[in-house]
Amino acid sequence: EADIYQTPRYLVIGTGKKITLECSQTMGHDKMYWYQQDPGMELHLIHYSYGVNSTEKGDLSSESTVSRIRTEHFPLTLESARPSHTSQYLCASSEGNRGSYEQYFGPGTRLTVT
Amino acid sequence: GDSVTQMEGPVTLSEEAFLTINCTYTATGYPSLFWYVQYPGEGLQLLLKATKADDKGSNKGFEATYRKETTSFHLEKGSVQVSDSAVYFCALTLNTGGFKTIFGAGTRLFVKA
Repeated sequence: EADIYQTPRYLVIGTGKKITLECSQTMGHDKMYWYQQDPGMELHLIHYSYGVNSTEKGDLSSESTVSRIRTEHFPLTLESARPSHTSQYLCASSEGNRGSYEQYFGPGTRLTVT
Repeated sequence: GDSVTQMEGPVTLSEEAFLTINCTYTATGYPSLFWYVQYPGEGLQLLLKATKADDKGSNKGFEATYRKETTSFHLEKGSVQVSDSAVYFCALTLNTGGFKTIFGAGTRLFVKA
């Protein structure tokens, strides 16, 4: 069973608020990812990290930012939430070495901005 | 560019019916191929994988074969159950550079009792 955690699971917040979505994994994986999942289920990569102090933007432009100060922790921050940020956010990690490329996903955070 | 195409859903089946969800890919090099499943209210979890041509991945009665000649990785199950109702994602990971993973758009499966 994967040991990757996301908090909160659900969040309803007003426009303009700053929020941080937490993601932690206990598997020691170097690679971590944030995906935005739209109502049609499709996944869009918004950020990824290949190790401590390494972060990159993904394929989908996002106003969010991420940090990777510790291997196990990869939080995502929205400085000023807007209704267009309403979505499901999924965090994942992978070992990525020795032929092991599968990703392990957290349960997701469902964000609603009113 | 690299891509994954899977059949559109939703797919609705009766219990004990045969399931096929088609998946084809375009990739440079030799990717690893995956099927992930997402149950309601949860994140994705790995269902099965294959890392080279002609490999067959299998798990929980599901199976898929890595077909390099047809660039396909179709998911099959001989007899579905109501508990198989979920969204299924086909994906590939390129084994070079940044190990980028590309997901298909997902196929929702409903199984009726």
